Amino acid sequence: GQQLNQSPQSMFIQEGEDVSMNCTSSSIFNTWLWYKQDPGEGPVLLIALYKAGELTSNGRLTAQFGITRKDSFLNISASIPSDVGIYFCAGQQSGGSNYKLTFGKGTLLTVNP
Amino acid sequence: KAGVTQTPRYLIKTRGQQVTLSCSPISGHRSVSWYQQTPGQGLQFLFEYFSETQRNKGNFPGRFSGRQFSNSRSEMNVSTLELGDSALYLCASSVAGGSSGNTIYFGEGSWLTVV
Repeated sequence: GQQLNQSPQSMFIQEGEDVSMNCTSSSIFNTWLWYKQDPGEGPVLLIALYKAGELTSNGRLTAQFGITRKDSFLNISASIPSDVGIYFCAGQQSGGSNYKLTFGKGTLLTVNP
Repeated sequence: KAGVTQTPRYLIKTRGQQVTLSCSPISGHRSVSWYQQTPGQGLQFLFEYFSETQRNKGNFPGRFSGRQFSNSRSEMNVSTLELGDSALYLCASSVAGGSSGNTIYFGEGSWLTVV
């Protein structure tokens, strides 16, 4: 089946540092989504990307949809303690009957104040 | 605008029992999908419903089933529970699902523990 390779698995950074994480796939996706999940909660949508090459920002977060449609990255600038959590990438294919998200394994982010 | 609502939030069941989880999608959303999240397997797709019809199904045994009602609310059922079914079950909704621009939003999940 389809798999998303998300890296790194975990990051431990100092407050104020920038963070970068990425996802790659062997399959093409028409939509890339980035979610953040806090302990005991459901994933919260951060950024949605719908076009190859698209670069989208949401505050300190920036994400890009790779030109090949097989990859995406998420950058967080000037990290703060509340950025702590698990970040997931997800790819979605459209058309036909394939209405589902394929998730990466997540990146655990720890921010040291 | 209320988000995706799941009930119950926490429950404990015994092996062999069955469980039903409920999900109310965001108002106006017609697609509801379910995911299982475990530490070992991560987030895995269970199934997706639209207009009371299951459109897609993940690789789970037949003990996992679901349905959607005319008001778009959905339930999932797990029969003959096994210890390995202990997980966070997440419901997600979108306007129509599957097309570019139909973003998927998640509920807070139902924590199931099987003992």
